[in-house]
Amino acid sequence: KNEVEQSPQNLTAQEGEFITINCSYSVGISALHWLQQHPGGGIVSLFMLSSGKKKHGRLIATINIQEKHSSLHITASHPRDSAVYICAVSPDDKIIFGKGTRLHILP
Amino acid sequence: NAGVMQNPRHLVRRRGQEARLRCSPMKGHSHVYWYRQLPEEGLKFMVYLQKENIIDESGMPKERFSAEFPKEGPSILRIQQVVRGDSAAYFCASSPQGGAYTIYFGEGSWLTVV
Repeated sequence: KNEVEQSPQNLTAQEGEFITINCSYSVGISALHWLQQHPGGGIVSLFMLSSGKKKHGRLIATINIQEKHSSLHITASHPRDSAVYICAVSPDDKIIFGKGTRLHILP
Repeated sequence: NAGVMQNPRHLVRRRGQEARLRCSPMKGHSHVYWYRQLPEEGLKFMVYLQKENIIDESGMPKERFSAEFPKEGPSILRIQQVVRGDSAAYFCASSPQGGAYTIYFGEGSWLTVV
């Protein structure tokens, strides 16, 4: 069993829809990261969470430490949000990645 | 205010040659991570280094692969006697003090073995 599980693996939605990507992990962590990888490969850090909730523009990330679960939400989705979204956890200084969720927003 | 710099961005090597990939972390960052991404797969941890020390190399293949992060200069991932299966994107990331801090990624180095 992978230490970091993401769902769904693939998601296609219409522009404007509310998007939720889930991440469950099985290890104790000091932090959880949400990353975005665009076609062409560049990886951008979206959020780093250790508790609660963070918001940046149309993106919201939440984490429940007791349930070992995090969600990434995108409001008013847009085709430019199409990317792979990766959840990663830090049990210590090492960082373990989920396999990513491939999001495709249709115009 | 340069971010994490990786070079070369693209590298083509024949089977049996050596590949050297370089990573200059963000200014002030002393923690460097290397990851490999095979086509259509997720990021796989390879090695975690601090200046002059390998902290965790549990993701590195036992043979042909090595990494260093000298006191001066960039971190280097070295692959000797490359094989076709080494073709992948290699990403470097840095952070100021480890995984509990925001990590910053380089643009990646794409290795193609022909």
